[in-house]
This record gives sequence, structure tokens and C-alpha cells, in this order.
Amino acid sequence: GENVEQHPSTLSVQEGDSAVIKCTYSDSASNYFPWYKQELGKGPQLIIDIRSNVGEKKDQRIAVTLNKTAKHFSLHITETQPEDSAVYFCAASINTDKLIFGTGTRLQVFP
Amino acid sequence: EPEVTQTPSHQVTQMGQEVILRCVPISNHLYFYWYRQILGQKVEFLVSFYNNEISEKSEIFDDQFSVERPDGSNFTLKIRSTKLEDSAMYFCASSFGIEAYFGPGTRLTVT
Repeated sequence: GENVEQHPSTLSVQEGDSAVIKCTYSDSASNYFPWYKQELGKGPQLIIDIRSNVGEKKDQRIAVTLNKTAKHFSLHITETQPEDSAVYFCAASINTDKLIFGTGTRLQVFP
Repeated sequence: EPEVTQTPSHQVTQMGQEVILRCVPISNHLYFYWYRQILGQKVEFLVSFYNNEISEKSEIFDDQFSVERPDGSNFTLKIRSTKLEDSAMYFCASSFGIEAYFGPGTRLTVT
């Protein structure tokens, strides 16, 4: 079955710097890749997603890139702010069915 | 903005007892899911539900687990005889077919 690896497990950046989180997936049939932000004590919140027919998608300060050949996708956050501090999960699915999550990245943005 | 709600937020139960976790998905959604997250670990898929039946379940979802959509709004997860290792956050999610939206979770503690 699908397996999603995520790196790094923790990431500390200075406010205003960029943060990049990377994921790889194993099943070439996966075609939907969402990213979730999870704040302490809350459920995962969908922040951006990408489908396999595009290579990049951007929404204000966040962007996601997808390399289908290499089977990896990345989340880019620019101009980080303290409120970006959270755990970020990547996920992969086939035809938007069950989500297989990565292991999470704890992002800490220092003022 | 519509959101997935879950009750209770925290449930403490003794080993061997039955628990029912409740969810109210977003009203026009068609696909319903339960996921769980053991403390500090990634989110894991348990079961998906569509058209009043289970569409897929994971290895975790054994005979002790069941799901039900008793009416047009609620979606429940029952654990028949809880074990210590069932202690986790349980998240309900719903989807219209693409993006999945998660509830805030129920923390289940089995003592």
C-alpha cells in the first residue's frame, strides 16, 4: 500500500524566513496531495492541496510543488510568522479516497 | 463557515467498556471518515463510509469497531470492548468528493 515519508520532523526558522517541508510517496497511482496544519489540541486543517495534473499551486504565502516522476512534493511557506507555528502533515490519496499521512513536521517560527 | 463537529471532546473509559464517539459531518457532504492519532504520531485512516455502507477499512478497524449513520446528520464510531491501546485522538472527517475536512477530535483515554 501507499507509504508517505516526510522530512524534516522538526523545523525552526526566524520570523520572515522561508520554510520548506518535503514528502515522498510510494504509490505512483496517488493523484491527490493535500497539506494539513494541526495546532495544539485541534484537528487537522486543510491549507492547500495539489492534484497530479499540475506541478505547482500557490495561495498567498504558501505554495506546493509536485514532481510526479520523482514521487515527491513539497510545501513552501514564505515570510513566516509566529502564527505559522504548528505541526504540518502531508498526505497522499488515490482519487481523493482515504488519506495516507506523513509523519508530520513541527514548525516553530521564532519572533 | 460549515464545520465538522465531534462529541465528546474527551472520553475516559475503563478497559472492556463500550464507547460511542459522535460526529456531525458538514451537511451536504457524501463521504465520511474516521481517523485516529496516537499521541505524537501521525494520523491513521480507520474507515470510510459512503452511500450508507463502509467503502474501505484499515487493518486497525477490526471486529471491535463499527460505524453507523443513524440519521441524516450523525455519524458514529463504536468501539465494543476498549483496550488500552485504543487510547488516542479520534477524528471524524467529511468530504463532498475532494477536500476532506476534519473535526476537532475526541480524545479517548482507556484506563
